[in-house]
Amino acid sequence: DAGVIQSPRHEVTEMGQEVTLRCKPISGHNSLFWYRQTMMRGLELLIYFNNNVPIDDSGMPEDRFSAKMPNASFSTLKIQPSEPRDSAVYFCASSFRFGGRQETQYFGPGTRLLVL
Amino acid sequence: AQTVTQSQPEMSVQEAETVTLSCTYDTSESNYYLFWYKQPPSRQMILVIRQEAYKQQNATENRFSVNFQKAAKSFSLKISDSQLGDTAMYFCAFMRGAGNQFYFGTGTSLTVIP
Repeated sequence: DAGVIQSPRHEVTEMGQEVTLRCKPISGHNSLFWYRQTMMRGLELLIYFNNNVPIDDSGMPEDRFSAKMPNASFSTLKIQPSEPRDSAVYFCASSFRFGGRQETQYFGPGTRLLVL
Repeated sequence: AQTVTQSQPEMSVQEAETVTLSCTYDTSESNYYLFWYKQPPSRQMILVIRQEAYKQQNATENRFSVNFQKAAKSFSLKISDSQLGDTAMYFCAFMRGAGNQFYFGTGTSLTVIP
């Protein structure tokens, strides 16, 4: 089975530009998570979805960040406008949740974003 | 709030030797899950091992095993017969039984020396 797929793997952009990161979760998984990893702050949860519905976006740093999940097999994380401090590795992860039980999260390969 | 602490920022081990990475956590929950993830230089996050808090038996996956001490809120990872491919950052993570969110430690950078 294919794992979590993220694109692009690397993105270099200039400050002020819009950046869109994409994620395809593992088929059959109904929870999706976006994380950001930096040296200073480690791994931070930005937002997560259950059954395509955003449940907790309290980790989204500011209004410049937005995430959508239009269907069970696709999600986007958008930064507009981008700033140099957004430079980080962005991970998408997915898992299966049934009843009150959440299964293990499986991570994608990450998108390395550099904002100049 | 849940917190996860990894007190060893860096560790090294000789190839074929055994190393133990420490992790402690703080929670008032009784039902939860603990994980170790490995992040090699490729940056891919790879699940190493998982432990359910209600299970007294320590989880084992090949050369990887945990020492889960629930009363002490400790969850250490033991890597036996270390291999060069084990060189990576290792993250301990906590998840509430009824929750979605993972809480990650700050990681331990492990280097296996030939």
